[in-house]
Amino acid sequence: QKEVEQDPGPLSVPEGAIVSLNCTYSNSAFQYFMWYRQYSRKGPELLMYTYSSGNKEDGRFTAQVDKSSKYISLFIRDSQPSDSATYLCAMSAYAGNMLTFGGGTRLMVKP
Amino acid sequence: DVKVTQSSRYLVKRTGEKVFLECVQDMDHENMFWYRQDPGLGLRLIYFSYDVKMKEKGDIPEGYSVSREKKERFSLILESASTNQTSMYLCASRAQGSQPQHFGDGTRLSIL
Repeated sequence: QKEVEQDPGPLSVPEGAIVSLNCTYSNSAFQYFMWYRQYSRKGPELLMYTYSSGNKEDGRFTAQVDKSSKYISLFIRDSQPSDSATYLCAMSAYAGNMLTFGGGTRLMVKP
Repeated sequence: DVKVTQSSRYLVKRTGEKVFLECVQDMDHENMFWYRQDPGLGLRLIYFSYDVKMKEKGDIPEGYSVSREKKERFSLILESASTNQTSMYLCASRAQGSQPQHFGDGTRLSIL
């Protein structure tokens, strides 16, 4: 079993839909959580960064962490075709640790 | 904003060649990383460096070496390129004792 699991998709939604992307993990020591967006043939771009449990909102994006369930989510409101990309979750136990990545979920938002 | 620049977006080399991939960051970050990304395998750490002239092996160092002579520059070297090293190579950096990592745009390397 992988340390971080992420459904590879593809997830196809109509424009304007609310999108929910998720990762589950097995290491209860993880407390730093990141979401990266990766467009085709480009590097991962940091989207959201959270520490410990709770929610963080930035525009149309909300990151949610539930440490008791070992589950993190990224919500995208009013999804746009420009949101079509692969979304990677990443996490670590300590600030100076290596990151453990999920395999990525490919999202397609159709006009 | 952090800027991580990889010198080439696309590179085509021949089997047996020595290949150099260059990465430069402009944020005075102590830590730098080289990953490769392959379909179905995700990101895999090749090497990282936590200071000038310091390096540590990652999960898949075989066939690779690295060089960090200056703080802002981290080079990945394929000693004798092979076809199974055809991949997307990503460089990242971060400040010491801190998250997150910031990535460059990647180099898509093809070995023929």
